Amino acid sequence: DIVMTQSPATLSVSPGERATLSCRASQSVSSGLAWYQQKPGQAPRLLIYAATTRATGIPARFSGSGSGTEFTLTISSLQSEDFAVYYCQQYNDWPLFTFGPGTKVDIK
Amino acid sequence: QITLKESGPPLVKPTQTLTLTCTFSGFSLSARGVGVGWIRQPPGKALEWLALIYWDDDKRYSPSLKSRLTITKDTSKNQVVLTMTNMDPVDTATYYCAHPYDTSGFYDYWGQGALVTVSS
Repeated sequence: DIVMTQSPATLSVSPGERATLSCRASQSVSSGLAWYQQKPGQAPRLLIYAATTRATGIPARFSGSGSGTEFTLTISSLQSEDFAVYYCQQYNDWPLFTFGPGTKVDIK
Repeated sequence: QITLKESGPPLVKPTQTLTLTCTFSGFSLSARGVGVGWIRQPPGKALEWLALIYWDDDKRYSPSLKSRLTITKDTSKNQVVLTMTNMDPVDTATYYCAHPYDTSGFYDYWGQGALVTVSS
């Protein structure tokens, strides 16, 4: 199975600052990478798919980059509603989809 | 508008079989390319993909849980059912059903989740 790792585990950021989250795959997943946002007590919300494509209704401050084994989610200017846990998921190794352990973005 | 909702027992005993139902609307599971998947999340932990069923009855399972899982669909009722046998306290989790974006493997719509606790 492809193992996904995420760093850092926790990221403390002030509102208005940029946040950069990393996701690494144990082997190449090409561009088969999605990012989700999850707030306490809620289901995950799709942010990015195909490594760089924003899902419908996702603000432009969210952007994804990378391919192969190294991926990044950038939130250009953190808003109060962006403090949450972020998960990456590979779907290139169909159907053995795997998620990363998550990065918690909290208020500095 | 696509919606999904999970239902099932909030509490099961160890060794029992869990049956969860996903009732959905806004799409048809008889349409080509459409599927429904199940993902779970233990309290405070990460997401784990469990199973997936497609319009053509193609079924896929997590290798680590394959022997315990069965996924079925009832197209006429707009429902997908997941059964998991031999439940253990480590299976305590919120179970989500979700709609995959065509056949790609990521999920664009999720249910609210159903918390299942395994305890005697």
